[in-house]
Amino acid sequence: QKEVEQNSGPLSVPEGAIASLNCTYSDRGSQSFFWYRQYSGKSPELIMFIYSNGDKEDGRFTAQLNKASQYVSLLIRDSQPSDSATYLCAVKRSANAGGTSYGKLTFGQGTILTVHP
Amino acid sequence: DAGVTQSPTHLIKTRGQQVTLRCSPKSGHDTVSWYQQALGQGPQFIFQYYEEEERQRGNFPDRFSGHQFPNYSSELNVNALLLGDSALYLCASSFGGLRGEKLFFGSGTQLSVL
Repeated sequence: QKEVEQNSGPLSVPEGAIASLNCTYSDRGSQSFFWYRQYSGKSPELIMFIYSNGDKEDGRFTAQLNKASQYVSLLIRDSQPSDSATYLCAVKRSANAGGTSYGKLTFGQGTILTVHP
Repeated sequence: DAGVTQSPTHLIKTRGQQVTLRCSPKSGHDTVSWYQQALGQGPQFIFQYYEEEERQRGNFPDRFSGHQFPNYSSELNVNALLLGDSALYLCASSFGGLRGEKLFFGSGTQLSVL
């Protein structure tokens, strides 16, 4: 079982629709959850992070977390062609030492989203 | 405010050679992590440096080594290159405080091993 799995793509939605991206993780000790967007040939860019169960909204983006189900999702409302990219889900189990927090990000394989006009 | 900078942008090497990649973190950041991203895959964690020490390491062989300098910049070294080392190498910086969760990535170094 992969540590982080994302719904297989590619996902294609019409402009103005809601895009739904899903992610499951295996490590129950994971504490932080992230969504990155990566345009072709570019580096990942952080768009959302969430720590607590429930929903977190930021503009057109909503992240949802259910730790009991080990499930994270990202909803993109009013999808635009500029949202076309690969979306990466990442989870982190943090450790604290000497007043600092550290831990690796474990990424899923990514889901390619295409928003067509 | 400069973000995370990496050099070089592209690199072509042959099997068996050694390579050094460089990274300067975002201003105010003291922690540097390195990731390897193969085509069509998510980034894989290589290691993380804080206060000039390797604090955590992923499942990569000892051929992969690194260093962090007093100014927080970092190098990734790969010895005895294999064809499978061809990938995008990403440097990410963060602040090592208790809420230093956000990673900011550089534009990456595309390494091709022939």
